[in-house]
Amino acid sequence: EVQLLESGGDLVQPGGSLRLSCAASGLSFSSSAMNWVRQAPGKGLEWVSTIGGSGNVTLYADSVKGRFTISRDNSKNTLYLHMNGLRVEDAAVYYCARDWQLANWGQGTLVTVSS
Amino acid sequence: DVVMTQSPLSLPVTLGQPASISCRSSQSLVYSDGNTYLNWFQQRPGQSPRRLIYKVSKRDSGVPDRFSGSGSGTDFTLKISRVEAEDVGVYYCMQATRWPRTFGQGTKVEIK
Repeated sequence: EVQLLESGGDLVQPGGSLRLSCAASGLSFSSSAMNWVRQAPGKGLEWVSTIGGSGNVTLYADSVKGRFTISRDNSKNTLYLHMNGLRVEDAAVYYCARDWQLANWGQGTLVTVSS
Repeated sequence: DVVMTQSPLSLPVTLGQPASISCRSSQSLVYSDGNTYLNWFQQRPGQSPRRLIYKVSKRDSGVPDRFSGSGSGTDFTLKISRVEAEDVGVYYCMQATRWPRTFGQGTKVEIK
């Protein structure tokens, strides 16, 4: 069974930084593209970023390009999202999801951006 | 960007009755490999999203057969043949043909 467990969400001030992690199990991690998708409180789903299995392909939503960096450590079966220059509008539950078609999702981690 | 438009945004249904959600894309979702990457997700209250349907009409493992997807090009539909109480939640379509990936606004299904 595929399991994805996000962590790292926290309360951070505007302009601050945060690193989210997603620990994966039950899948061939290095063969799987991985994604971050976010959901602001009471809102819909927004795709944030995708990384290919080897890490050689990375894609970003315009809203986070230049501020967020997606990465992975295939030796640890872990996906990361490095978030810099956080804005109030980045506040959301962040989900990691497996493969190009978002087949499996984690339970999410909450990022709050407030002074 | 491909704009995904769902309707209705709210869908009150009677238990045991059918339900249908429409999703339209601003561009064709047919990819160069011939596949159409249109997915449907269910998000029950307080839970994370779960994929129900991929490539328009393929049901994920464990998804009841009362859920079905159909459509082509820019026009797609999710149908629930007989709504059950556990189907309450928000349903999203998402296109995975073009970058950036985009979701519909969501359709909230509730019991009358």
